[in-house]
Amino acid sequence: EAGVAQSPRYKIIEKRQSVAFWCNPISGHATLYWYQQILGQGPKLLIQFQNNGVVDDSQLPKDRFSAERLKGVDSTLKIQPAKLEDSAVYLCASSLSGQARGSPLHFGNGTRLTVT
Amino acid sequence: QKEVEQNSGPLSVPEGAIASLNCTYSDRVSQSFFWYRQYSGKSPELIMSIYSNGDKEDGRFTAQLNKASQYVSLLIRDSQPSDSATYLCAFGARGYSTLTFGKGTMLLVSP
Repeated sequence: EAGVAQSPRYKIIEKRQSVAFWCNPISGHATLYWYQQILGQGPKLLIQFQNNGVVDDSQLPKDRFSAERLKGVDSTLKIQPAKLEDSAVYLCASSLSGQARGSPLHFGNGTRLTVT
Repeated sequence: QKEVEQNSGPLSVPEGAIASLNCTYSDRVSQSFFWYRQYSGKSPELIMSIYSNGDKEDGRFTAQLNKASQYVSLLIRDSQPSDSATYLCAFGARGYSTLTFGKGTMLLVSP
């Protein structure tokens, strides 16, 4: 079974620039998550999709972050404009269903973003 | 607001010892509890899940859940240097809910 694919692995940008991350979940997984993990902290959920609908985006800074999951498969996360505090690893994860019980999260390798 | 508290560590144990990692949570409706292991520079990977009060054993790992005390722990028996990593606890409520992660406890197992 192929895992969750993410690209790019690393990205360095200057503040106020824009950046986009891509994620392809495990085939058949209906639920897709984007997490932000700042160094030394646990992952923080930014947005959760169930198929192509948004289930939870309460912690997404909507003035600068946006995400979409067209056709309920691939997803992109965009930051525009970036701030220094956006430096973090952006993790994409997927699960068979949104119900946490019996449906563990599978994480991709993440994208390490550095904003200078 | 849902919160998870973990001691950031590092927790240092000698090889062969039992490592005990603890986590408390604030959300009383939490139904599912997980332990993830994260090696430096890598993504989290699930090692244990527990849904009912009591103990759940899987190889060298035992998860313990006490919902009344809002407490979950992970015991690692016969700790190995390869167990050195950050251990994240996470919990979720019923239904299409997200997981809330703690900050993680760094475990160092010395040979």
